[in-house]
Amino acid sequence: GENVEQHPSTLSVQEGDSAVIKCTYSDSASNYFPWYKQELGKGPQLIIDIRSNVGEKKDQRIAVTLNKTAKHFSLHITETQPEDSAVYFCAAPSGGSYIPTFGRGTSLIVHP
Amino acid sequence: DTAVSQTPKYLVTQMGNDKSIKCEQNLGHDTMYWYKQDSKKFLKIMFSYNNKELIINETVPNRFSPKSPDKAHLNLHINSLELGDSAVYFCASSQGGRYYEQYFGPGTRLTVT
Repeated sequence: GENVEQHPSTLSVQEGDSAVIKCTYSDSASNYFPWYKQELGKGPQLIIDIRSNVGEKKDQRIAVTLNKTAKHFSLHITETQPEDSAVYFCAAPSGGSYIPTFGRGTSLIVHP
Repeated sequence: DTAVSQTPKYLVTQMGNDKSIKCEQNLGHDTMYWYKQDSKKFLKIMFSYNNKELIINETVPNRFSPKSPDKAHLNLHINSLELGDSAVYFCASSQGGRYYEQYFGPGTRLTVT
C-alpha cells in the first residue's frame, strides 16, 4: 500500500465553511510533515509544516494537527475563501528516506 | 525575481525523440529534485541530487537522466520518448537538511504524440 495516504480526493465547501484534509503515514520514524498548496498552472508551494514533537501548529486560518500514536495528521482551513481553491498535498518521509513522499492530493473547491 | 525556473514551459514532441528540460535555482540551495505529475495530479519523485549524492527512484526508467553542470542547475534528459512520458515535470530545490521545505518551479508540460 501507499506510504502516505490522503483523504478525501475532492472536497467541496461553501465560502466561510471549514475544510479538513487528513493524511496517514506508515513510517514511525517520520519526524516532519509538510503541507503544500498547488494552484492551477503552478508548482506546489509549502504553506505549513509540523514537526513530530508538536501536536498542533497554527498560522492564521490554517492549522495542522499531528497524532503520532495513530500516525495521522490533518490540515484545517477555517473561514474558507474562493482563493483557497487549489490542490493540497500532504507529505511525510517514508521508507527510511529523508525525502518526503507526497500524498495523492485533495482538490479543494470553495464556492462563493 | 524567479526562485526556481524551468524551460521550456511547454514541450510537444514525437515518440522516439530525445529532449531536455532545464532547471535553474537562484536560492543558493544545495539539493535539487525532479518530480513527475501525472494527469491525476499524483506527484512522484524521480531524482534528488546534491553535490555528494544522486538518489534515483528505482521505478524511473533509465531513459531519464539528470545532469548537473553546477549547483544551481539540474537538467533532465529524456531519451526515446514514449506516450506514457506525457506529464508535467517539476523541478524543486531545498537547502541543507530542510528536505520538507522544497521550492518548486512552474512546471514543464510534456506532450508526446
